[in-house]
Amino acid sequence: EVQLVESGGGLVRRGGSLRLSCSASGFSFSGYAMHWVRQAPGRGLEHVSAISSDSGNKYYADSVTGRFTISRDNSKSMLYLQMSALRAEDTALYFCVKGPWPGPTHNYFDYWGQGSLVTVSS
Amino acid sequence: EIVLTQSPATLSLSPGERATLSCRASQSVSSYLAWYQQKPGQAPRLLIYDASNRATGIPARFSGSGSGTDFTLTISSLEPEDFAVYYCQQRNNWPITFGQGTRLEI
Repeated sequence: EVQLVESGGGLVRRGGSLRLSCSASGFSFSGYAMHWVRQAPGRGLEHVSAISSDSGNKYYADSVTGRFTISRDNSKSMLYLQMSALRAEDTALYFCVKGPWPGPTHNYFDYWGQGSLVTVSS
Repeated sequence: EIVLTQSPATLSLSPGERATLSCRASQSVSSYLAWYQQKPGQAPRLLIYDASNRATGIPARFSGSGSGTDFTLTISSLEPEDFAVYYCQQRNNWPITFGQGTRLEI
């Protein structure tokens, strides 16, 4: 059974930093692209970042470029999102999401974690 | 960026009825459109990928159709557990984008 478990969320002040982690199990983690998708309270879904299976390609939404960094450790089946210079509009539930193949750019999302809540206070 | 517009925003139906949800893209996404279901307090769940392919474990009452710019998710006979928010998502162009959602309510 595929499982994605996020951690690291919490309350942070505007301008602060936070690192989200996602522990993956139940599939061959090193063979698949991974993503972060966020959902502001009561709002829709926004794709934030993507990383290829071998970490060779990384992509970011314009809204987070230069502030967020995605990374992974295939030896530990872990995905990370380092967030800095946080803004109030970054407040959201952040989902760790699996892609269906190694490349990250043309994915749908076949498995989702339950999310980690990030709240940025102003 | 490709904008996906879902309609209606809210759809009110009863169990047993047929639901038809629409997703329109601002430019062609070929057949690279997916549908997700999200219930309160839960993560989204993949229902349909590439316009018409049901994901693993998805009941046959869910079907998808369309290509280019116009897509439809049909639920043939609503079960009580189908009342949720539904999102479409395109993977044809970067950035990957989602529609704003359709709330299916009893």
